[in-house]
Order: sequence, then structure tokens, then C-alpha cells
Amino acid sequence: KQEVTQIPAALSVPEGENLVLNCSFTDSAIYNLQWFRQDPGKGLTSLLLIQSSQREQTSGRLNASLDKSSGRSTLYIAASQPGDSATYLCAVVGETSGSRLTFGEGTQLTVNP
Amino acid sequence: NAGVMQNPRHLVRRRGQEARLRCSPMKGHSHVYWYRQLPEEGLKFMVYLQKENIIDESGMPKERFSAEFPKEGPSILRIQQVVRGDSAAYFCASSIQGANTEAFFGQGTRLTVV
Repeated sequence: KQEVTQIPAALSVPEGENLVLNCSFTDSAIYNLQWFRQDPGKGLTSLLLIQSSQREQTSGRLNASLDKSSGRSTLYIAASQPGDSATYLCAVVGETSGSRLTFGEGTQLTVNP
Repeated sequence: NAGVMQNPRHLVRRRGQEARLRCSPMKGHSHVYWYRQLPEEGLKFMVYLQKENIIDESGMPKERFSAEFPKEGPSILRIQQVVRGDSAAYFCASSIQGANTEAFFGQGTRLTVV
């Protein structure tokens, strides 16, 4: 059974810092990995999708990497801003789990002005 | 192109009533997924549907819960005889194809059972 773990559970940083969020998964047989952002009381916003054959994806100040063999992904946020404050969720689609996403518990990020 | 639309955004039901949650996928998307987020817990898969077919309902409670995605109209998640433990945020996602494509989520329906 696939399990996804995110570390740390919460992170507080001053504005302008570069930061890394970590995600690990127990079964490396995945189709893809997706990073989402969730604001309080809101839905999920898709940030980056990495296919299993890819090593990384970039969008603006965000860079996500994938090491499928070791079951790890990182989300790098450059020059953090208060507007980046949210919960960041990592999710994978496993090769044996149909099309469903298996989510981690999330990292709650606070960027202080 | 409107995103995934869910309604209502908030729903209050008394114990024993029925709850109907609706989801309209993004235009051109024929794959719909329902997830549940219980208070202080992560998102858990419930059911995966394509038009007129249930593909995977392995995450759905065996009783009181059902889902459909008819040929015309939105996908419906139906909860009969709601109990307090059903209080949660229910999210719908859609994708253009299955496993290898990006999933887009709606804003969710927050169900409160009183």
C-alpha cells in the first residue's frame, strides 16, 4: 500500500528566504507526482506535475524534483513571499492504484513579512 | 474555461437527512474523482468515475454513499442518512484522461451534520 510522507509538518520562515519542502513515498512504481497548494477553507491549486520519466519541473519561483528510485521529491520555493503562506500537498498516482492520487498530510508554510 | 465547479460550497444537514453534492468537471474532461478531507486529516480517495461508469469505488464507504456521473449533467455524490462523522470537506477533481494527466480540483463542499 502506497504511503506518502511530508516533512516538515509545519514551517515558518521570514520573507525572502529560499526553502525546501520534502515528500517521500514508499512504492516507487508511480506514474506521476503532483504538488498542490491549499489555502484555508479553499480547494487545491495544482502547482507542478512531474511524470515518472522526468527529473524536475519548474514554474516561476517553484522547482520540483523527483527521484523515483529513492521515492523522494522536493519542492523548492525561491525568494518566499507572505502570499506563499498555505499548506503544500504532495500526491502520487501509483502504477497499481488506478488513477487515484495518494496524498501526504501536507506542510503548512507561513512566510512572515 | 471555467475550472471544476462544485456546489453547494457549504451544506448543513441534520442527522438522518440526505446530502447531494454536485460536481461539474472542466470542459473536455471526462474523468471525475471524489476525495474526502476529514477535520485534521489528509485527503482520501473515494471514487473514480467516467461518463456513466464507476471505474474504482474502493475508497467509498460500503453503506449510505453512492456516486454517479450521468451522460448529461454533473457528477453527484449522494450520502443517505447522514451522521455527524460525515462532516468533512468533499472535493471533486477532473482530468482529461486517466493516470498520466494532471488533476484539477474544485473548491470543495463543506458538509456539516448537526
